[in-house]
Amino acid sequence: AQSVTQPDIHITVSEGASLELRCNYSYGATPYLFWYVQSPGQGLQLLLKYFSGDTLVQGIKGFEAEFKRSQSSFNLRKPSVHWSDAAEYFCAVGARAGGTSYGKLTFGQGTILTVHP
Amino acid sequence: NAGVTQTPKFQVLKTGQSMTLQCAQDMNHEYMSWYRQDPGMGLRLIHYSVGAGITDQGEVPNGYNVSRSTTEDFPLRLLSAAPSQTSVYFCASKTQGGRNTIYFGEGSWLTVV
Repeated sequence: AQSVTQPDIHITVSEGASLELRCNYSYGATPYLFWYVQSPGQGLQLLLKYFSGDTLVQGIKGFEAEFKRSQSSFNLRKPSVHWSDAAEYFCAVGARAGGTSYGKLTFGQGTILTVHP
Repeated sequence: NAGVTQTPKFQVLKTGQSMTLQCAQDMNHEYMSWYRQDPGMGLRLIHYSVGAGITDQGEVPNGYNVSRSTTEDFPLRLLSAAPSQTSVYFCASKTQGGRNTIYFGEGSWLTVV
């Protein structure tokens, strides 16, 4: 069975600082990989996704993520954080065969980002 | 475009009561699913459907029933609510193809007292 681990439950950074949120997955092959963001009381917004090809993926709001097969990781990065980035971030994986096709994703536990002015 | 619409947005239930969370999508998507979100656990799949008349269990199906009589609607039923079902529920839909976008609703906040 596939699983996702986000080791950091809560991260605090200063506005303007760089950010890296960690995501490690367990899966028998290369899955489809996603990062979502959720503001308080809101739904999920897709930041970026990886299916194949270039392992560095660009997303919305200045975010990027890098797929590293050897480390089973898909870490999310942003060079300079804005106060509006404060939210909860979820990494998710989906099986290439059947899983993602049906909308079945496995989510990590989430990382809450706090941004200090 | 409406996208994925969930109702109600907020609900308080007493233990043992039943209720239905509604989910409707207007994108003619074949696949629909229900997730629950709990603090520190991310989102977990409850049930999913690959088309009208076809449903299957996800990771945490106990205590929930679903049916899919039309392409547009995928209601989630709690037959006898328990405090452990206090959660935020998200409905999602997508069309065929592994790379197509999964669209999430805005969530339904359910409290069982």
